[in-house]
Amino acid sequence: DGGITQSPKYLFRKEGQNVTLSCEQNLNHDAMYWYRQDPGQGLRLIYYSQIVNDFQKGDIAEGYSVSREKKESFPLTVTSAQKNPTAFYLCASSRGGVYTEAFFGQGTRLTVV
Amino acid sequence: ILNVEQSPQSLHVQEGDSTNFTCSFPSSNFYALHWYRWETAKSPEALFVMTLNGDEKKKGRISATLNTKEGYSYLYIKGSQPEDSATYLCAQRGYGNKLVFGAGTILRVKS
Repeated sequence: DGGITQSPKYLFRKEGQNVTLSCEQNLNHDAMYWYRQDPGQGLRLIYYSQIVNDFQKGDIAEGYSVSREKKESFPLTVTSAQKNPTAFYLCASSRGGVYTEAFFGQGTRLTVV
Repeated sequence: ILNVEQSPQSLHVQEGDSTNFTCSFPSSNFYALHWYRWETAKSPEALFVMTLNGDEKKKGRISATLNTKEGYSYLYIKGSQPEDSATYLCAQRGYGNKLVFGAGTILRVKS
């Protein structure tokens, strides 16, 4: 079955540690996205990538980094520079082009203690 | 800059009521407007992708309209059912495939 896989579903880390969230898609989509959701808020764009080896900062990129070395993979690293990393993180992909909808993974809930 | 706003923030209706939500977005450099439904414990799923001024889309009891000149879209639900309870998100597609979401409208339908 085609889809987007995020792992793990729950992640706990100690403050000051970097952590990498995985996002893999087998939909052959060009574009991929990372969003963050905090309680009572919508989805805020962290980073997005139109194509392999290219990515752009979203609205809240500070404290995060990404890579796009393969079409199917778009990992997100939450660095120690991110001041409030505890949140729900959603990965999405789309075929690219303005007429195409986005498809989402199940999300990773990150808790930093 | 894409700045998408949705209202109301939340809505509680009785089963059978019809309801509507608003999505406002910058009207300049418009590419497309998306609506998604996000049910609890699930992933967001697309309802509509709208691209042309005056566009109207319909899926069952749910429909949407688009006004790109004034920068707004309405989502309508006719005869709300408990299974319509969800968060409804709109998102604007920008240059370079950027996709920016509003904060969403939470709908609760009481039976």
